Amino acid sequence: KAGVTQTPRYLIKTRGQQVTLSCSPISGHRSVSWYQQTPGQGLQFLFEYFSETQRNKGNFPGRFSGRQFSNSRSEMNVSTLELGDSALYLCASSLGGAYNSPLHFGNGTRLTVT
Amino acid sequence: TQLLEQSPQFLSIQEGENLTVYCNSSSVFSSLQWYRQEPGEGPVLLVTVVTGGEVKKLKRLTFQFGDARKDSSLHITAAQPGDTGLYLCAGLPTSGTYKYIFGTGTRLKVLA
Repeated sequence: KAGVTQTPRYLIKTRGQQVTLSCSPISGHRSVSWYQQTPGQGLQFLFEYFSETQRNKGNFPGRFSGRQFSNSRSEMNVSTLELGDSALYLCASSLGGAYNSPLHFGNGTRLTVT
Repeated sequence: TQLLEQSPQFLSIQEGENLTVYCNSSSVFSSLQWYRQEPGEGPVLLVTVVTGGEVKKLKRLTFQFGDARKDSSLHITAAQPGDTGLYLCAGLPTSGTYKYIFGTGTRLKVLA
């Protein structure tokens, strides 16, 4: 069974630009969550999608948005990039239907904003 | 705001030593997971605990969920260099939202 795939692995952008990150979940998983990981803040929840609907949202500004397609693949978009957006962005998929269905993470996209 | 505090933040030990990592909160969780993350990779699930007081073993790793489902511990016996990594606990609140709360992380280094 293929794992969670995130593309691209590395990205370098300039302040003010926008970026789109992609995540392909494990086959059969309907929930996709996005997290931002930085050395100072740890893992911060961005949002979670289940069957194409945003089910939960974290405390990030509106510049951060996402969507999920009918095949459960998900994209995350960050507009008007700021230096502080430099981080490892992790996507995780799960069955999503039970309280004990754990998260399965991809290897992340390392975003550097200059 | 629900928080999961992990301690210690950093741990550097010699191969063969034992250690315990703690994950504490004032909130109750439906379930709690432990993950290990290595540089350049995403976190990998180690275990899920669901029932208060539950103890699970994974080779040299022993996980315990507190009776009140507010805290958890990870004990490693005879640590090896391969155990080096960032250990994260993550709890799913009982509020019904599918929104995991991650701990602050414990960075473990095991020296040969």
